[in-house]
Amino acid sequence: DIQMTQSPSTLSASVGDRVAITCRASQSINNWLAWYQQKPGKAPKLLMYKASTLESGVPSRFSGSGSGTEFTLTISSLQPDDFATYYCQQYSSYWTFGQGTKVEIK
Amino acid sequence: QITLKESGPTLVKPTQTLTLACSFSGFSLSTDGVGVGWIRQPPGKAPEWLAVIYWGDEKRYSPSLKSRLTITKDTSKNQVVLTMTNMDPVDTATYYCAHRRGNWGGFFDHWGQGTLVTVSS
Repeated sequence: DIQMTQSPSTLSASVGDRVAITCRASQSINNWLAWYQQKPGKAPKLLMYKASTLESGVPSRFSGSGSGTEFTLTISSLQPDDFATYYCQQYSSYWTFGQGTKVEIK
Repeated sequence: QITLKESGPTLVKPTQTLTLACSFSGFSLSTDGVGVGWIRQPPGKAPEWLAVIYWGDEKRYSPSLKSRLTITKDTSKNQVVLTMTNMDPVDTATYYCAHRRGNWGGFFDHWGQGTLVTVSS
């Protein structure tokens, strides 16, 4: 099984901040990685796939990078709507989610 | 416009079998490359993938739950059904179905609203 580890688990930030979330895979997944945003009581929303491809309709302040085992989701200027929990997910071998990173208001 | 909606019981007893249906619109499960997956999320925890069924009726199951899961499709009804046997309180979660897209394993680009299933006697 491929394990996905996110850091940090919680991130406190202010509107306008640049934030980065890291996701590490237990083995190489090439760039078969997706990022999701989830708000309380809602289903996850796809933000990014193939590590760095922005899903249609997602604001350009979101960007993704990495390949192999280490990946990063960056929000260039945090907006009020961005306070949520973020999950990475590998789809190289079956599907595995990270444990999540909660972005909260500082 | 792709939409999915889960339906099924909200409460099941331990040892019972859970049957959930996913009704969808906006795509066909007979189209090459299309898949539908089931993912669950225990309260306060991360999502966990359960199963996927593809357009050609190929199926994939989570290795840790494979013995308890069955996924089937009814293309004419635009529906996918998941059964999970021998339910336990640790299976209490919100169960989602989702449309799978993309190369290799693919990712989930459209999700249903989810249905909370509680396992309790």
